[in-house]
Amino acid sequence: KNQVEQSPQSLIILEGKNCTLQCNYTVSPFSNLRWYKQDTGRGPVSLTIMTFSENTKSNGRYTATLDADTKQSSLHITASQLSDSASYICVVRTMNNNAGNMLTFGGGTRLMVKP
Amino acid sequence: DGGITQSPKYLFRKEGQNVTLSCEQNLNHDAMYWYRQDPGQGLRLIYYSQIVNDFQKGDIAEGYSVSREKKESFPLTVTSAQKNPTAFYLCASSKDRGENIQYFGAGTRLSVL
Repeated sequence: KNQVEQSPQSLIILEGKNCTLQCNYTVSPFSNLRWYKQDTGRGPVSLTIMTFSENTKSNGRYTATLDADTKQSSLHITASQLSDSASYICVVRTMNNNAGNMLTFGGGTRLMVKP
Repeated sequence: DGGITQSPKYLFRKEGQNVTLSCEQNLNHDAMYWYRQDPGQGLRLIYYSQIVNDFQKGDIAEGYSVSREKKESFPLTVTSAQKNPTAFYLCASSKDRGENIQYFGAGTRLSVL
């Protein structure tokens, strides 16, 4: 069964500090992995997408890594800001185009940045 | 929200009532999706449509129905058969079924009175 596990479930950090969110998956065959940011009461917004051959990708203060061998990804946030407070969702896409559901969503990490 | 509009933002359902959630996109995307989000859980696929007049059940279709009469619109009806409808509902679209979903709507929060 395809699964995506994220940790921690929630995290509180002080403004200006760095943090790293983890995503482990068992989706097969793997196509790509995307990180989303979801503000409370809003739809998810894509931060970055990574394919099998990519190890790291940055988007401003967000840096995602992917280890396809261990099936792990991380999202590192540098110099956190209050506006980073949100849920971060890891989503893995299968390459199986015949699958009814091609995306498997993680449960998300709820990040709170305090002043 | 990337050209996807969901309405209403909040919706209340009485017992035994059917309610319809609206989803409209102006991205000229062929594929559209409905997801349900519960606290602490990943999004779960309710229905998806690859093209006009065609739609397929997702993982949790029971108690829900959809239609796709127009490319731009993919309304979701939560029927009285759905016994636990309280959740956050998200609509999404992609250029076609083979493309990644990049855009989500802002969501509709459905509660039971």
